[in-house]
Amino acid sequence: EVQLVQSGAEVKEPGESLKISCKGSGYSFSSYWIAWVRQMPGKGPEWMGIIHPGDSDIRYSPSFQGQVTISADKSISTAYLHWSSLKASDTAMYYCARTTVGITTWLEYWGQGTLVSVSS
Amino acid sequence: EIVMTQSPATLSVSPGERATLSCRASQSVRSNLAWYQQKPGQAPRLLIYTASARPTGIPTRFSGSGSGTDFTFTISSLQSEDFAVYYCQQYNNWPPTFGQGTKVEIK
Repeated sequence: EVQLVQSGAEVKEPGESLKISCKGSGYSFSSYWIAWVRQMPGKGPEWMGIIHPGDSDIRYSPSFQGQVTISADKSISTAYLHWSSLKASDTAMYYCARTTVGITTWLEYWGQGTLVSVSS
Repeated sequence: EIVMTQSPATLSVSPGERATLSCRASQSVRSNLAWYQQKPGQAPRLLIYTASARPTGIPTRFSGSGSGTDFTFTISSLQSEDFAVYYCQQYNNWPPTFGQGTKVEIK
């Protein structure tokens, strides 16, 4: 069974750094792209970027380029989303999700989400 | 970036009735469209991809149609567990983009 398990909720202050994680199991982690998706309260999802854990090929959506860093460690089947300096506007639910074919595609498997709250 | 517009924002339907949701793309996405269901506190769940294909395990009461810029998602006979928010997503162009959602509520 394909599973993506994300790290727990975070409460941070503006300016702090944060790295959240997404651990895959039940499939060959290195073989499938992992996307990160933001969902702000009451809004539709937004595609942030995507990584291929096998070779760390990364693509960012223009709106998120330079705002976050996506990485992966295939040895422990884990993908990461990192902020160097959080803003209040980063408050949202963040999901990782696995594609089935290619990079610009649908998302069949999703993590449970990580809630990030940023407030002073 | 392609803008996906869903209508209506909210749809009130009685159990057992048919629900029809619409999604329009700002430019052609061919058949590269998916539909998701999201319940409160849960991640989105894939229901339809390639405009009309269902993943394994998705009930046949869920169906999708359309191509180009206009798409329709139908629930043939609403069950209690189907009351949720539904999103369309295009993946024809980078970045993939989602609609703002249609909430299907109990009438």
